[in-house]
Amino acid sequence: TQLLEQSPQFLSIQEGENLTVYCNSSSVFSSLQWYRQEPGEGPVLLVTVVTGGEVKKLKRLTFQFGDARKDSSLHITAAQPGDTGLYLCAGVRGTSYDKVIFGPGTSLSVIP
Amino acid sequence: ETGVTQTPRHLVMGMTNKKSLKCEQHLGHNAMYWYKQSAKKPLELMFVYSLEERVENNSVPSRFSPECPNSSHLFLHLHTLQPEDSALYLCASSPGTSVETQYFGPGTRLLVL
Repeated sequence: TQLLEQSPQFLSIQEGENLTVYCNSSSVFSSLQWYRQEPGEGPVLLVTVVTGGEVKKLKRLTFQFGDARKDSSLHITAAQPGDTGLYLCAGVRGTSYDKVIFGPGTSLSVIP
Repeated sequence: ETGVTQTPRHLVMGMTNKKSLKCEQHLGHNAMYWYKQSAKKPLELMFVYSLEERVENNSVPSRFSPECPNSSHLFLHLHTLQPEDSALYLCASSPGTSVETQYFGPGTRLLVL
């Protein structure tokens, strides 16, 4: 049973377009993390959202944690080829890493 | 910037082979992890070490055997693997085992024939 779902699974867009990817669960999380994994590399933490309804911005990336702390979204404005990669969300249910559940990821390709 | 290195980056092995994956972190962290990443599946936590002591083993088959000789090095010994074990094996480290920033290595791409 997959506790965290991400959509879409794949996304291919032109440079300059906007996009949103989603992370959904039926479980409540104490916090949620977003990672980006570039081809041939390991995941890199982008942000952690903690409070329901919280919005965090990281340059052209906007992260939102749902009010009920069950879902999250990542919006990218004016996508660039450097945004290409696998975007992973991870729901945190406790204080140690054995309580972290990863989603399957959204693979984003930004075409120049 | 990553301070976690993994070798080899790619490995092809037969089901009767014995091989080892190596991970080294240069960040002074106290916790290290092994994850398995398969296509279209979520990252699976395999093992957690804190100060060289194993604190988590997520029901991983015994054909995977971890070793942590010191807080900077982590090994994953592989023996009589199955084709379904083919995946990207990621090592990570963090200052402690509480949820905070976790730094991943680039992974070892393993193919079992």
